[in-house]
Amino acid sequence: EVQLVESGGGLVKPGGSLRLSCAASGFTFSSYSMNWVRQAPGKGLEWVSSISSSSSYIYYADSVKGRFTISRDNAKNSLYLQMNSLRAEDTAVYYCARDYGGNSPLGYWGQGTLVTVSS
Amino acid sequence: QTVVTQEPSLTVSPGGTVTLTCASSTGAVTSGYYPNWFQQKPGQAPRALIYSTSNKHSWTPARFSGSLLGGKAALTLSGVQPEDEAEYYCLLYYGGAQPWVFGGGTKLTVL
Repeated sequence: EVQLVESGGGLVKPGGSLRLSCAASGFTFSSYSMNWVRQAPGKGLEWVSSISSSSSYIYYADSVKGRFTISRDNAKNSLYLQMNSLRAEDTAVYYCARDYGGNSPLGYWGQGTLVTVSS
Repeated sequence: QTVVTQEPSLTVSPGGTVTLTCASSTGAVTSGYYPNWFQQKPGQAPRALIYSTSNKHSWTPARFSGSLLGGKAALTLSGVQPEDEAEYYCLLYYGGAQPWVFGGGTKLTVL
């Protein structure tokens, strides 16, 4: 069974940093692209970042480019999102999601972790 | 900036049929946009329903189907059940440095 468990969320001040983690199990992690998606309170979904299976291809939404860094450790079956220079508008639930294949980049989802940026 | 537009809300009666659409500010949606559809219920993570326009995941109920309709991606629910009340999001592929863009979501009420 595919399992994705996010952690690392919490309260941080504007301008601060936070590192999210996503622990994967139930599949061969190194074979799949991974993604981060966020959802601000009461708002819709926003794709944030993608990383290919070997980290060769990395993409970011314009809203986070230059501030967020996606990475993965295939030996540890883990996905990360380093978030710097955080702003109030980054407040959201952050989900990690696994590629399903066949142009389905977000086939499996974790339960999310809440990041709150506030002074 | 690319904008993906969905109906903000729709209402359907139990047992009825409803079609949700997904339009792109860049023009007609084609299969090359690989439309994906997701369902999200309150307090839950989203769940993938449809990928590459019309392909269902193994867990997707048969009453859900995807297509292209009048230059838009479409999600049709036939024989709607009360448990289908949820928010539905489409996702389109644009390639380049920011490849995926979500629509704003459609709140489906079953009444």
